[in-house]
Amino acid sequence: DTGVSQNPRHKITKRGQNVTFRCDPISEHNRLYWYRQTLGQGPEFLTYFQNEAQLEKSRLLSDRFSAERPKGSFSTLEIQRTEQGDSAMYLCASSPPADYEQYFGPGTRLTVT
Amino acid sequence: EDQVTQSPEALRLQEGESSSLNCSYTVSGLRGLFWYRQDPGKGPEFLFTLYSAGEEKEKERLKATLTKKESFLHITAPKPEDSATYLCAVAYNYQLIWGAGTKLIIKP
Repeated sequence: DTGVSQNPRHKITKRGQNVTFRCDPISEHNRLYWYRQTLGQGPEFLTYFQNEAQLEKSRLLSDRFSAERPKGSFSTLEIQRTEQGDSAMYLCASSPPADYEQYFGPGTRLTVT
Repeated sequence: EDQVTQSPEALRLQEGESSSLNCSYTVSGLRGLFWYRQDPGKGPEFLFTLYSAGEEKEKERLKATLTKKESFLHITAPKPEDSATYLCAVAYNYQLIWGAGTKLIIKP
């Protein structure tokens, strides 16, 4: 199966530490999205890439968050100086060219203690 | 402002009891309406895309319909394994605007 994969699946970290998550999209998909989701809410958009270009970033997103997709394949999301409010599920999704459907990975559950 | 509203927030049904979930939207230039299923602790799973008013899609016990202002997800004779949160989203440019979801519980 060549679906979207995310690593790690779970991360527990102490407040103030930096964390990095990885997403591997479906191979022929050129767009990649990052979302954050908390209990009882729909996914909250963070940022997205078309190939290696980061085309949009949420205005609500703190400067502590940064994402990269250096070769237009996998992507990383880094959170610096984590806070308890960063605890959430971080979801990655990818889309094929000229299509709007997004296919999600299993997510990374972040717990900040 | 573009937005998506889902109702009800939660729905409890007996096995075999059919019902519908609602997704209402306000967006200029709809480029697609999407339904996803999400199980606890997992990423959303794509179900359907609807592009124009009057369109219908079916998959097993699920049927999605679309009008100019809302979409319905009809569940016929549900089983306990249909229990999940059902999310609706609309496409705006190449982004999706999401509703908060309807948590569906099917009791045996």
